Amino acid sequence: AQSVTQPDIHITVSEGASLELRCNYSYGATPYLFWYVQSPGQGLQLLLKYFSGDTLVQGIKGFEAEFKRSQSSFNLRKPSVHWSDAAEYFCAVGVREYGNKLVFGAGTILRVKS
Amino acid sequence: NAGVTQTPKFRILKIGQSMTLQCAQDMNHNYMYWYRQDPGMGLKLIYYSVGAGITDKGEVPNGYNVSRSTTEDFPLRLELAAPSQTSVYFCASSYEGTYGYTFGSGTRLTVV
Repeated sequence: AQSVTQPDIHITVSEGASLELRCNYSYGATPYLFWYVQSPGQGLQLLLKYFSGDTLVQGIKGFEAEFKRSQSSFNLRKPSVHWSDAAEYFCAVGVREYGNKLVFGAGTILRVKS
Repeated sequence: NAGVTQTPKFRILKIGQSMTLQCAQDMNHNYMYWYRQDPGMGLKLIYYSVGAGITDKGEVPNGYNVSRSTTEDFPLRLELAAPSQTSVYFCASSYEGTYGYTFGSGTRLTVV
């Protein structure tokens, strides 16, 4: 069955420091991969997506992610974190069933300390 | 602004009551979805629809019902509310199921 694992429930980084959020997926076919961000009380906003091609994907707000097929990973990175990046981040894989649903990880809560 | 609109934003229900969560989109998307979000669990798919008049169950449909009489609207019905249905509910839509989901801002439901 398809699954997405985000090993870190909480991460705290200092403002200006670099960030990496981990994501591992399990899916038998070529994956479509996504990162979403959710600010408190808000819906989910798409940060970036990978369908095919270049394995390093650029997204909004200065985020990037790298697809590594050999490791079944799609980690999210940002070189310098801003206080406004504090939010919950979800990794997801698109599966070709249930109307092309998204399977989400449990999320990682990012805290930024000044 | 174009997007997905969910109402209400918050609701408290008593056990056994019923309610309908409203979802409307104005992007002419044919695919629509209902997810529930529970802490530490990510989002789980409740129901989805690939077009007006067509609906189907997702992973966790028990206790819910949906209808899709128009392209724009996809209401979610809770018939006999239970504490296990306390959650945040998100509606989403996409064009032709292309994973370009647009999410609504959510409905936070508490059943007491």
